[in-house]
Amino acid sequence: DAGVTQSPTHLIKTRGQHVTLRCSPISGHKSVSWYQQVLGQGPQFIFQYYEKEERGRGNFPDRFSARQFPNYSSELNVNALLLGDSALYLCASSFNMGETQYFGPGTRLLVL
Amino acid sequence: AQSVSQHNHHVILSEAASLELGCNYSYGGTVNLFWYVQYPGQHLQLLLKYFSGDPLVKGIKGFEAEFIKSKFSFNLRKPSVQWSDTAEYFCAVSPAGNTGKLIFGQGTTLQVKP
Repeated sequence: DAGVTQSPTHLIKTRGQHVTLRCSPISGHKSVSWYQQVLGQGPQFIFQYYEKEERGRGNFPDRFSARQFPNYSSELNVNALLLGDSALYLCASSFNMGETQYFGPGTRLLVL
Repeated sequence: AQSVSQHNHHVILSEAASLELGCNYSYGGTVNLFWYVQYPGQHLQLLLKYFSGDPLVKGIKGFEAEFIKSKFSFNLRKPSVQWSDTAEYFCAVSPAGNTGKLIFGQGTTLQVKP
């Protein structure tokens, strides 16, 4: 079975630009969460979506937004990029909100 | 504030040595607890989890962890490490019933020397 997939794998942007990251959950999984992992730190929770509704938001500015589509895939959008947004962005999915999350390989974003 | 603290940032062991990685959490309410592992060049994988029941949980590759509620701890153990255990280990907590809001510790890098 295919695991969680994310695209693109790597991305380079400049300050002030906008970026869209995509995630396809494991087939049948309805819950998707996004995390930011800065080098040398553990992942930080950004958003959770379940059944296409936002179910949680971490301590991130409004420049970060996300959505979940009818097929349960998800997008993370970041506006007005800052150098500090450079990180590995992880997507994780689970069958429902109470089940184990499985992580994708991540998208590595570099902001110059 | 909700947080997870991992006691060791970098651990170096020789093969066959025993391993214990400390993890303490601060969270009001019932929790689920996890250890995830990230092998070099690979993505985060679940090592083991505690939802309820027996506080001693066994995971993959011979790892186990013990939930001590009174100490807010969930330490990871392995009796004899192998070179292939070289990886970064993350402890994480979520509210019970919602595993989609994981709070991670800062991670422990384990280096096993052959």
